[in-house]
Amino acid sequence: GENVEQHPSTLSVQEGDSAVIKCTYSDSASNYFPWYKQELGKRPQLIIGIRSNVGEKKDQRIAVTLNKTAKHFSLHITETQPEDSAVYFCAAKGASGTYKYIFGTGTRLKVLA
Amino acid sequence: NAGVTQTPKFQVLKTGQSMTLQCAQDMNHNSMYWYRQDPGMGLRLIYYSASEGTTDKGEVPNGYNVSRLNKREFSLRLESAAPSQTSVYFCASGRQAHPTNEKLFFGSGTQLSVL
Repeated sequence: GENVEQHPSTLSVQEGDSAVIKCTYSDSASNYFPWYKQELGKRPQLIIGIRSNVGEKKDQRIAVTLNKTAKHFSLHITETQPEDSAVYFCAAKGASGTYKYIFGTGTRLKVLA
Repeated sequence: NAGVTQTPKFQVLKTGQSMTLQCAQDMNHNSMYWYRQDPGMGLRLIYYSASEGTTDKGEVPNGYNVSRLNKREFSLRLESAAPSQTSVYFCASGRQAHPTNEKLFFGSGTQLSVL
């Protein structure tokens, strides 16, 4: 079945440094790859997503890249701030016409002041 | 505009008891989902409903049943609760807005303990 692997499980960076989280997916028909941020005790919220026909997308300090051939996608956060500390989940959505989202296991990011 | 509302927020069950988690959305979304969140396991899909009248199994459907009562409501039932079902449960609904951002809106979660 579909599977999404996410690494690392925990990541600590100094404030101002960059953070990179990587995911791989198994279903080659997946066509949308969102990233969700979950702060402690809160619900997950979408921060950015990328479609399968796009290689990179940026939104201020956040960028996502997609390598369809390798079935890899990554989240890049630059100039990290303490408020970036949270758990980040990647996900893959099934082929067009399906609405099934499979999530990775999450990365706990700690930004050290 | 309440978004996605799920009840209850907390529940303690004894092994073998049954219960239903309720979820409702007021955003006119077609798709709805139930996920469970366990430490180190991420968000695992239990069941989803792509549209009113349809339901499909996710990654971990065993021990659960669902009902898409209407477009707004999607309930999750545990017929005979087991300690392995201790988890935080999230309901979500999906806005499909091709080609712009597709987005899942999550409820606030239900913390379930099965003793």
